[in-house]
Amino acid sequence: GDSVTQTEGPVTLSEGTSLTVNCSYETKQYPTLFWYVQYPGEGPQLLFKVPKANEKGSNRGFEATYNKEATSFHLQKASVQESDSAVYYCALSDYNQGKLIFGQGTKLSIKP
Amino acid sequence: ETAVFQTPNYHVTQVGNEVSFNCKQTLGHDTMYWYKQDSKKLLKIMFSYNNKQLIVNETVPRRFSPQSSDKAHLNLRIKSVEPEDSAVYLCASSLRDWAYEQYFGPGTRLTVL
Repeated sequence: GDSVTQTEGPVTLSEGTSLTVNCSYETKQYPTLFWYVQYPGEGPQLLFKVPKANEKGSNRGFEATYNKEATSFHLQKASVQESDSAVYYCALSDYNQGKLIFGQGTKLSIKP
Repeated sequence: ETAVFQTPNYHVTQVGNEVSFNCKQTLGHDTMYWYKQDSKKLLKIMFSYNNKQLIVNETVPRRFSPQSSDKAHLNLRIKSVEPEDSAVYLCASSLRDWAYEQYFGPGTRLTVL
């Protein structure tokens, strides 16, 4: 079945450094790919989604490119802030089963 | 305010008891979901409803049952809780189906003693 694998957390960075959270997926379909973010005490919220291969999504300084050849959708940010501390989820749409498949989540902590 | 609302925020109970969690969305969405988030933050879908009709029913123990009165409400009942049911239960909704942005509530944290 379909699956999503992310960078194993937790990840701790200093403010101002760059971030990459790896996301790899397996599917026989042509999915839409998503990044969701969950701040402490809240439910996850959509960061952005990309429906087509070779396109880039971005929001709040985060970006990711849908790489169909490499089956990857890595999340990047050039300079992180303390407020970026959260759990990040990569997900894909499973059209056969009518649901989202989430990765295991990557907990990110940013030190001031 | 338009959002997804869940009650209660927290619930502590003993093994074997019955619990019920409520979810309401005021976004006018057609589809609602229940997810289970464990202590390692793994997020797994349990059920989804579209216009009061069950769409997704993952392999969850039979003691879990969703209850939909209308498309704005989706409750979750656990008939006889077990220790492994301790988790955060997240309700979500989307405009149409799963491919649309899902809006999540803040979750209900269940602790089973």
